Amino acid sequence: DADVTQTPRNRITKTGKRIMLECSQTKGHDRMYWYRQDPGLGLRLIYYSFDVKDINKGEISDGYSVSRQAQAKFSLSLESAIPNQTALYFCATSDLKAGERRPFFGPGTRLTVL
Amino acid sequence: AQKVTQAQTEISVVEKEDVTLDCVYETRDTTYYLFWYKQPPSGELVFLIRRNSFDEQNEISGRYSWNFQKSTSSFNFTITASQVVDSAVYFCALSEPRDNFNKFYFGSGTKLNVKP
Repeated sequence: DADVTQTPRNRITKTGKRIMLECSQTKGHDRMYWYRQDPGLGLRLIYYSFDVKDINKGEISDGYSVSRQAQAKFSLSLESAIPNQTALYFCATSDLKAGERRPFFGPGTRLTVL
Repeated sequence: AQKVTQAQTEISVVEKEDVTLDCVYETRDTTYYLFWYKQPPSGELVFLIRRNSFDEQNEISGRYSWNFQKSTSSFNFTITASQVVDSAVYFCALSEPRDNFNKFYFGSGTKLNVKP
């Protein structure tokens, strides 16, 4: 879904570094999500947001924080990266409007923590 | 407890074979949505289908078909006459009204290898 963009697409960083992954959308959706994908574990929800003032923890939020700067932007931060945060990260959006009740995914960010 | 189970971790078939990917879900709600996504080796997630729990008709789209069985809480995906381009990881997912359909629960995925 080209309407959801993520930057950077790839990032290699070192243990202890702070890193931010950014997500922008032009779909006008209220709901935004950050998922993490590890081999054999599927997609696990880190954080989700229903609007700028509503941020919720997902199942694996420890070690992460988020910021919803605007309806269209949702950033994920790793305050002090560790190697087991090496994964593929996806941002997604959705809406309750008919036809939009599904995750629309960004292209993913491949993060490596050395 | 896992809400969506994809018991097949990896499947290998030879081109032109038919293959079925299993998905079993768990919910106490009568209304819910089910989804399938494809993740090719390039990594992006491609939407394949969304099914409302009230729509029990099976769906066919070209070589793809989906079998929804409420009685067994399953939403299986069949690829007929598989092709090498079908090689990917396939994810099944669920959303429920208890979360106002705001959360999506994914299975762990099935990796399909189609060999020429």
